[in-house]
Parts: sequence; structure tokens; C-alpha cells
Amino acid sequence: EPEVTQTPSHQVTQMGQEVILRCVPISNHLYFYWYRQILGQKVEFLVSFYNNEISEKSEIFDDQFSVERPDGSNFTLKIRSTKLEDSAMYFCASSLWGRAEHNEQFFGPGTRLTVL
Amino acid sequence: AQRVTQPEKLLSVFKGAPVELKCNYSYSGSPELFWYVQYSRQRLQLLLRHISRESIKGFTADLNKGETSFHLKKPFAQEEDSAMYYCALSGLETSGSRLTFGEGTQLTVNP
Repeated sequence: EPEVTQTPSHQVTQMGQEVILRCVPISNHLYFYWYRQILGQKVEFLVSFYNNEISEKSEIFDDQFSVERPDGSNFTLKIRSTKLEDSAMYFCASSLWGRAEHNEQFFGPGTRLTVL
Repeated sequence: AQRVTQPEKLLSVFKGAPVELKCNYSYSGSPELFWYVQYSRQRLQLLLRHISRESIKGFTADLNKGETSFHLKKPFAQEEDSAMYYCALSGLETSGSRLTFGEGTQLTVNP
């Protein structure tokens, strides 16, 4: 069964450094998402992406964040200058369709980002 | 604004007992409600969704628009049901819809 994959599983970085988190969505899916979960808190939506554009973003997704689909398979989340509070588990998800009634989102295993 | 509340962080029951995980939501439009489950060391996966009205692994959930609730129920809990359960909401009006998650309930089914 196809799955969403994410690399790396754990990333440790120094505050102020740039990080790129990588995801390979399910191959025929059209909508892609990033969520994050700070330890002990809710899973929070960051951004959704369709047709090479951001379709929706949350207030968390500020200018420090960007997303890209650099080729036909990868979907990346870049944090330009990491802060301590960016430490979290980052989940990538993909869905075949966007509308909620057809919108089963399939999640990757997550990347744990630790900012020191 | 969308909001999902799961009032119980932890829930512990014995095998064979009924279980109900509570979920309340706040949303001004037409919501689609989901239950996601995360078993130990596994990824988040969809358990069931309101619109398909299915029963998955013996779990059911009914959308009560009057009480704005979507509680998850199972009449006889099994040890393998022990996991983290998240209620989530998406709006039917928009495409590429974000999922808004509750805080999660850790269910433990004791032998």
C-alpha cells in the first residue's frame, strides 16, 4: 500500500540555521499539507499546497516558512532561520482531492525537529 | 474559526467494557468530522469519518449538530484499541481544507 514518506526522521539544528524537511507524498495525490505538533500540544495545520501554489496557510506559517515541490515527487518545508520554539514533530500529509468529503489525508511518520 | 475540544487527555477502561471518547466542535459552516488514531510508534491514520457513516474496528461516531459533538464509541473495548485518538474537523465549503485537531485522548484498555 502506498505511503507518505518523510526524511529525516530526526533533525537537530542550531538556532538561526536553515532546515529543509522532505516529504514524498503518495504518487497520484494532488493536495499536500504540512502540520506540526509541539510536544504535549495539538497537531496544528501549517499549510496546504495544490497545483504548485499555496492554497491555504495558518497564522503560524510566517515569512520564515516556505514550501516547494522542486520535482515531481518531493514536497519540502523550509524554515529559514530556526527558533527554539520551532522544535516540534512535523507531519507531511497528502490527499487525492481537496474537498473535505473526499479529503482523506494520509500522514507521513513525521520528522522530529530539535532546535538547540 | 474552527475549534475541536477533546475534554479527556487520558481514558482507561477494562477489556470488554464500553468506551466513549468525547469530541466537541465549533464551526460556523458545514463541518466534516473525522477520527484519527495513532497506535504506538505508528503514523496518524484515519479511523472513520462522519460522511461515510462506517463502523471501523467496531467503532462508530454520530454527528450531533445540536450538541456540536462527534463522540467515538465502541461497545466492547479490546486491548489492541489502546492508542492516541484525535478528533478532527474540516470545512465542507473550501478545497484543500485544513484539518483542525483536538488535543487527543490517550486510550488504555487494560486486560
